[in-house]
Amino acid sequence: DVKVTQSSRYLVKRTGEKVFLECVQDMDHENMFWYRQDPGLGLRLIYFSYDVKMKEKGDIPEGYSVSREKKERFSLILESASTNQTSMYLCASSSQGQGNYEQYFGPGTRLTVT
Amino acid sequence: AQKVTQAQTEISVVEKEDVTLDCVYETRDTTYYLFWYKQPPSGELVFLIRRNSFDEQNEISGRYSWNFQKSTSSFNFTITASQVVDSAVYFCALSEVWTTGNQFYFGTGTSLTVIP
Repeated sequence: DVKVTQSSRYLVKRTGEKVFLECVQDMDHENMFWYRQDPGLGLRLIYFSYDVKMKEKGDIPEGYSVSREKKERFSLILESASTNQTSMYLCASSSQGQGNYEQYFGPGTRLTVT
Repeated sequence: AQKVTQAQTEISVVEKEDVTLDCVYETRDTTYYLFWYKQPPSGELVFLIRRNSFDEQNEISGRYSWNFQKSTSSFNFTITASQVVDSAVYFCALSEVWTTGNQFYFGTGTSLTVIP
């Protein structure tokens, strides 16, 4: 079974703190993704990566950065957390190749910024 | 413009009723992929099905069935004889072949409540 794990299920941080969200997948997938999920807005793509050290902006990259130093690990960084970044953060991974393969998701991190 | 539209925000049905979740998509590509995911209250999105644009055959998996119609750009999902365990948020997604890293466009989801 594909396994995508995220470092925390729940996180509470203060405004202005630097926040790291970690994601690890064990299926040797090339693609990794970070989404945030908010009520009524569905899943919105923040950043994705299709290879080590490669990153691409998604729909809402402002206020976020990412790091992919190893194939299995993709980190989301909030340089200076703000209250409007309170949300559910979901990490996903997928295989490359012929055809667009399904993404597999981690359990999510519910981040609260106070 | 939304590439994937799930017009039904919330649906409630009584157990054992059939329910259809609608998904309408928009793309100019001839090759694309469509997906459905289930997000139970625990929060983790669970992959249900992947279809490519060249395969319009309907698919059935147990109580689940999917109806793909290119003519109406729809990929609807039907649950037959619904059960309480079907209560979840369901997301439809589109992936276009040209996109780097196989990006997905998700709909806003349909929250299904099955009442015992």
